Amino acid sequence: AQTVTQSQPEMSVQEAETVTLSCTYDTSESDYYLFWYKQPPSRQMILVIRQEAYKQQNATENRFSVNFQKAAKSFSLKISDSQLGDAAMYFCAYRAPGTASKLTFGTGTRLQVTL
Amino acid sequence: SQTIHQWPATLVQPVGSPLSLECTVEGTSNPNLYWYRQAAGRGLQLLFYSVGIGQISSEVPQNLSASRPQDRQFILSSKKLLLSDSGFYLCAWSVPGVSYNEQFFGPGTRLTVL
Repeated sequence: AQTVTQSQPEMSVQEAETVTLSCTYDTSESDYYLFWYKQPPSRQMILVIRQEAYKQQNATENRFSVNFQKAAKSFSLKISDSQLGDAAMYFCAYRAPGTASKLTFGTGTRLQVTL
Repeated sequence: SQTIHQWPATLVQPVGSPLSLECTVEGTSNPNLYWYRQAAGRGLQLLFYSVGIGQISSEVPQNLSASRPQDRQFILSSKKLLLSDSGFYLCAWSVPGVSYNEQFFGPGTRLTVL
């Protein structure tokens, strides 16, 4: 069974600085999808960024980028120029190929942004 | 554009009472639908998913059941709630057949069982 591990329960970053959130996963599949979701205090889950395993190029969405290391099964999220609005829980998620599109989530990292 | 609704937003129920949470999606057809539960300070656990009307798959044995009476309606139910059913319930949808199939989440229902 696939597992997703987020080893950092909490992280803190100063406004305008850069922070990296870690995620590792375990799978025997060769093609799969990885996601980072943000859950602010409203608890609405918001998709931040996505990566397909067969694409070697790291995904980027504005201030958010990933470092995808397929051999190491690592999928970290880098947030540049951190803003107060980035404060939230961040969840890493894995999806195996298949029509059901089931997601396996990590336990999350709570990110605090300080002035 | 697509939207997803969940209600109620908050619910407080006594142990042993029934439960019905509803989720509806607008702006898309034949979506995959999902129910997740999030315990306090924890990640999301997939409870049920559905790839079509009347097709329900259960991920974990539990006190809950799900139904999909219409294409864009997904209902989470229980006949008798337990204390352990408390949590935050999220419904999500995805479009089958596209490459990423990312899931889009509703606003959630906070359930407290007393």
